[in-house]
Amino acid sequence: EIVLTQSPATLSLSPGERATLSCGASQSVSSSYLAWYQQKPGLAPRLLIYDASSRATGIPDRFSGSGSGTDFTLTISRLEPEDFAVYYCQQYGSSPPLTFGGGTKVEIK
Amino acid sequence: QVQLQESGPGLVKPSETLSLTCTVSGGSVSSGSYYWSWIRQPPGKGLEWIGYIYYSGSTNYNPSLKSRVTISVDTSKNQFSLKLSSVTAADTAVYYCARAPGDLPFDYWGQGTLVTVSS
Repeated sequence: EIVLTQSPATLSLSPGERATLSCGASQSVSSSYLAWYQQKPGLAPRLLIYDASSRATGIPDRFSGSGSGTDFTLTISRLEPEDFAVYYCQQYGSSPPLTFGGGTKVEIK
Repeated sequence: QVQLQESGPGLVKPSETLSLTCTVSGGSVSSGSYYWSWIRQPPGKGLEWIGYIYYSGSTNYNPSLKSRVTISVDTSKNQFSLKLSSVTAADTAVYYCARAPGDLPFDYWGQGTLVTVSS
C-alpha cells in the first residue's frame, strides 16, 4: 500500500498569496497517477488535477500540479476567497488499495 | 451530465450490516471502462477508499475492510450497492459513491450520505 503524507497540515495565508502544498509518497507512484482534490465543508471532493499536472475540466489556471516519483506539489498561484478549503492528494496508479493523503487545510490568515 | 446519488439508512445498530445504494443517472454502470467506487469520510477526518466494482462486474476491496465488504451492481436499475457487515462506531462516516474512468481518478461523486452507527 502506498502511504501519502501531506504537508503542512494547515496553511494560513491571505487572499492573493501563493499556496504551495506537498504530497509525499512512501513509494514511487507509477506513471505519475497522482490527483489533487478540493473539498469544502459539507460537499464532496472536487477533482482539480490528474496525472500529477493536468487540470481537470473547468479548473482555473491558477491551480497547477507538478512532481513525479514520490514528491508532488499543488500550487495555487494567487489565492481567491473561494480557494480556502481542504486539499487531498490521491494515488490511483498502483495496484489497489487506492489511497488518499491526510489533507491540507488552507485557511484565511 | 453524470450524476450519482447515495441512499440508505442514516442509522445502523452496532454489529448489524450497513447497506447503501448509489443510483447513477446520465450514464450506464455497465458501459465503458469505468470503476464504480465507495469512499468514506469519518466526521472531521480524511478520505478512505472502500472498494470498487468494474463495469465488467469484477471487484476490488481495501484490505483493511475486505472481510466485511461486498459491492454489487444492478444493471437493470443502473445502481451499485455497498454492504458493510459487523459495523461498529468506527464505521460512522459520510459515505460517498464515485466514478473513475479507466486509469484516471474520481471525476464524478455523489453528494454523500452520513451513516451513524449507534444503538
